[in-house]
Amino acid sequence: QKEVEQDPGPLSVPEGAIVSLNCTYSNSAFQYFMWYRQYSRKGPELLMYTYSSGNKEDGRFTAQVDKSSKYISLFIRDSQPSDSATYLCAMRRGSSASKIIFGSGTRLSIRP
Amino acid sequence: GAVVSQHPSRVICKSGTSVKIECRSLDFQATTMFWYRQFPKQSLMLMATSNEGSKATYEQGVEKDKFLINHASLTLSTLTVTSAHPEDSSFYICSASSTYETSGGRNYEQYFGPGTRLTVT
Repeated sequence: QKEVEQDPGPLSVPEGAIVSLNCTYSNSAFQYFMWYRQYSRKGPELLMYTYSSGNKEDGRFTAQVDKSSKYISLFIRDSQPSDSATYLCAMRRGSSASKIIFGSGTRLSIRP
Repeated sequence: GAVVSQHPSRVICKSGTSVKIECRSLDFQATTMFWYRQFPKQSLMLMATSNEGSKATYEQGVEKDKFLINHASLTLSTLTVTSAHPEDSSFYICSASSTYETSGGRNYEQYFGPGTRLTVT
């Protein structure tokens, strides 16, 4: 079993829709949870960063962490064609330079 | 701020030759740099962790004699793929770590480079 599971998609939604992306994990030691956006043939770009359980909102993006269920989510409101990319969830145990474990990524396409 | 560059962005080499990829933190000093490999439609897999001035720590299954890592300064790390073979063709991505102070204390983040696409023919 992988430490982090993420549906690879692809996921296609119309412009303006609310997008929900999810990951589950098995290691309860993870404390820091991230979402990265990766455009084709580019490096990952940090979108959201959350410590422990709870919600965090940044513009059209909302990250949720439920440690009791080992489940994290990223919501995108008012989705735009420019949001089309691969979204990777990621997590690590500590705040220092510890290893980041990535999900496999979900390919998202926003149809104009 | 927190920009990481990689050079080259794309390289094609013949089987058996060696290729060097550079990773630079442009506007901050990075004590620790990481090297990842990403195959098509797959996630990033950590290859090694590199601390300035010391030997790199390799993940299980990564051949340290094949993937030579040098971290000679706080802004530069290099990955050399020696005796490359077609199965080494992949997208190689580096990241550099930076710590910063917040109202809640010291925080830490990794910033990723744009990646280098290696094709071995």
